[in-house]
Amino acid sequence: ILNVEQSPQSLHVQEGDSTNFTCSFPSSNFYALHWYRWETAKSPEALFVMTLNGDEKKKGRISATLNTKEGYSYLYIKGSQPEDSATYLCAFPGSGGGADGLTFGKGTHLIIQP
Amino acid sequence: DSGVTQTPKHLITATGQRVTLRCSPRSGDLSVYWYQQSLDQGLQFLIQYYNGEERAKGNILERFSAQQFPDLHSELNLSSLELGDSALYFCASSPQGGRTGNTIYFGEGSWLTVV
Repeated sequence: ILNVEQSPQSLHVQEGDSTNFTCSFPSSNFYALHWYRWETAKSPEALFVMTLNGDEKKKGRISATLNTKEGYSYLYIKGSQPEDSATYLCAFPGSGGGADGLTFGKGTHLIIQP
Repeated sequence: DSGVTQTPKHLITATGQRVTLRCSPRSGDLSVYWYQQSLDQGLQFLIQYYNGEERAKGNILERFSAQQFPDLHSELNLSSLELGDSALYFCASSPQGGRTGNTIYFGEGSWLTVV
C-alpha cells in the first residue's frame, strides 16, 4: 500500500510571512509527484507536476522542490496572502494495482491570518 | 474552469437506489479517473479508464462500476446505495496516465446525499 505523508496537518501563518510544508512518498519506482491546491467547495487545482530529481517549479509566490532519492517534496509560499488559505495536497501515481491513479496525502490545511 | 464537466452537481436519493454520475473529460484527454471524498476521508481513488479500457482499480466497492464510452465520456454507477456512500465524487482527466507526468485536471464534483 502506497503511503503519501504530508506535514504538518495544519498551519496558521501570519499574512506576509513565508511558509513551507512537506510531502513524503516512496522513493522507489518514482514516476511523478503532483501538487494541488484545494479550496472548500471547489475542485482541486493543479499546481505542479514534478518528474525529475532536483526539479524546482514556480508559479507566482508558490514554488516546489523535489528530492526523489530521499522521497520528499517541499512546497513554499512566499509572502502569504489570505487568498492562499486552502488545503495543499500532494499525490503520487500508483495505488491498488500500482498503476496510474493518484494516491493523495491527507493534505496540509493552511490558514493565513490577517 | 478545468475543462472537465460533471453532472449532476447535486443529487439526493434514498438508500437502496441506483444513480449514475457522468463525466466529460477535457478535449483530447484519454484518461478518466474517479475519486471519492467523504467527510472523514481524504481523496480516495476509485477507478481509472484509458481510451475505453479499465486501467487501474482503487478502493472501489463491488456495488460501484464505471465505464468509458467511445466518445471518451465516463459514467460511474453506484447501486444499492447506503448512507455511507454520501460523498463528493470527483472525475478527473489527463492526456495519458498519471505516471507520465501529465497534469491531471479535476471537475467540480458531484455531491451525492443518500437519505
